[in-house]
Amino acid sequence: EAGVTQSPTHLIKTRGQQATLRCSPISGHTSVYWYQQALGLGLQFLLWYDEGEERNRGNFPPRFSGRQFPNYSSELNVNALELEDSALYLCASFFYSSNTEAFFGQGTRLTVV
Amino acid sequence: AQSVAQPEDQVNVAEGNPLTVKCTYSVSGNPYLFWYVQYPNRGLQFLLKYITGDNLVKGSYGFEAEFNKSQTSFHLKKPSALVSDSALYFCAVRDWGGNEKLTFGTGTRLTIIP
Repeated sequence: EAGVTQSPTHLIKTRGQQATLRCSPISGHTSVYWYQQALGLGLQFLLWYDEGEERNRGNFPPRFSGRQFPNYSSELNVNALELEDSALYLCASFFYSSNTEAFFGQGTRLTVV
Repeated sequence: AQSVAQPEDQVNVAEGNPLTVKCTYSVSGNPYLFWYVQYPNRGLQFLLKYITGDNLVKGSYGFEAEFNKSQTSFHLKKPSALVSDSALYFCAVRDWGGNEKLTFGTGTRLTIIP
């Protein structure tokens, strides 16, 4: 069974540009979490999508946005990139209705220069 | 609101000795509790979970955790540490139902000394 896949693995952007990160969940999973892990810091919750709807949102500015598609894959968009957006962005999927554990992808390393 | 505390940023254990990584939590209802491990530049790997039932939960790689409701704790343990256990460990909690997210502690860096 394929795990959670994230693309790209690495992404280098210039300050002010936009970044799009993608996540494909495990087959059958309907929920997707997005987390930001800046260097030396813990996991900061960004967004939670379930069945195509946003269920919860972390304390991040509106330039962080996302969506979930009918096939349950998800995108995270970061507009007007700032240097402090440089971090590892992690996606996790799970099946909300059965309260399973969340399985994480390997992450996208975003570097803003 | 829910929260998780991992009081130790760093834990050092000699190889072969037992190890404990501490975690306490706060939720308004019944908790789902999880432990994850992260190796350098990698995502998180699931180790074990407590949903309901036995307070002692066994997981991957010989790890186990004990749920203590009165102390609101969920400490991670292993009887005999391996050098390969050196990594960053995260405790996480989610409240039953509702729209609560999965909340993580700040992580504990475990170093096993040969």
